[in-house]
Amino acid sequence: KAGVTQTPRYLIKTRGQQVTLSCSPISGHRSVSWYQQTPGQGLQFLFEYFSETQRNKGNFPGRFSGRQFSNSRSEMNVSTLELGDSALYLCASSLVAGVYNEQFFGPGTRLTVL
Amino acid sequence: QQQVKQSPQSLIVQKGGISIINCAYENTAFDYFPWYQQFPGKGPALLIAIRPDVSEKKEGRFTISFNKSAKQFSLHIMDSQPGDSATYFCAASTGGFKTIFGAGTRLFVKA
Repeated sequence: KAGVTQTPRYLIKTRGQQVTLSCSPISGHRSVSWYQQTPGQGLQFLFEYFSETQRNKGNFPGRFSGRQFSNSRSEMNVSTLELGDSALYLCASSLVAGVYNEQFFGPGTRLTVL
Repeated sequence: QQQVKQSPQSLIVQKGGISIINCAYENTAFDYFPWYQQFPGKGPALLIAIRPDVSEKKEGRFTISFNKSAKQFSLHIMDSQPGDSATYFCAASTGGFKTIFGAGTRLFVKA
């Protein structure tokens, strides 16, 4: 069974630009969560989608948004990029939302903002 | 109240020794406590998880000890091996939703 895939793996952008990251969950998984990982802040929850609906949201500004498609694939968008947005963005999928389901993480997208 | 505090930040252990990582939480609504292992260039992978209705869970060389009254839990890695060298994250959630992660512990096992 293929794991969680994230594209692109690496991205370099400049301040003020916007970026879209993509996540394809494991086949059959309907829940997708996004996390931001930085050396200083660790892993921070961004949001979770289930059946195309955002079910939970972390404490990030509105510049961070996402969506989920009918095939469970998810995209995350960051507008007006800031230097502090440089991070590894991780996507995790699970069969259903919550209910103690194991989350399977992708390898992440490394975003560098110059 | 949503924080999960993890210590130590880094840990060096001799091969064959015991690695111990500690975590503490404040929110008594947390009811699911997973531990994740992350190797460089990879996403975190679930190692072992515990619910607060048990005080200990063991899977192979990995054991979680849980102290509900103290709101603390810890990961013990017995007979630590160089292949265990990785970053370990504790985490907590309510019903599996909106997982809050600790800051991580970088473990290095010396051969």
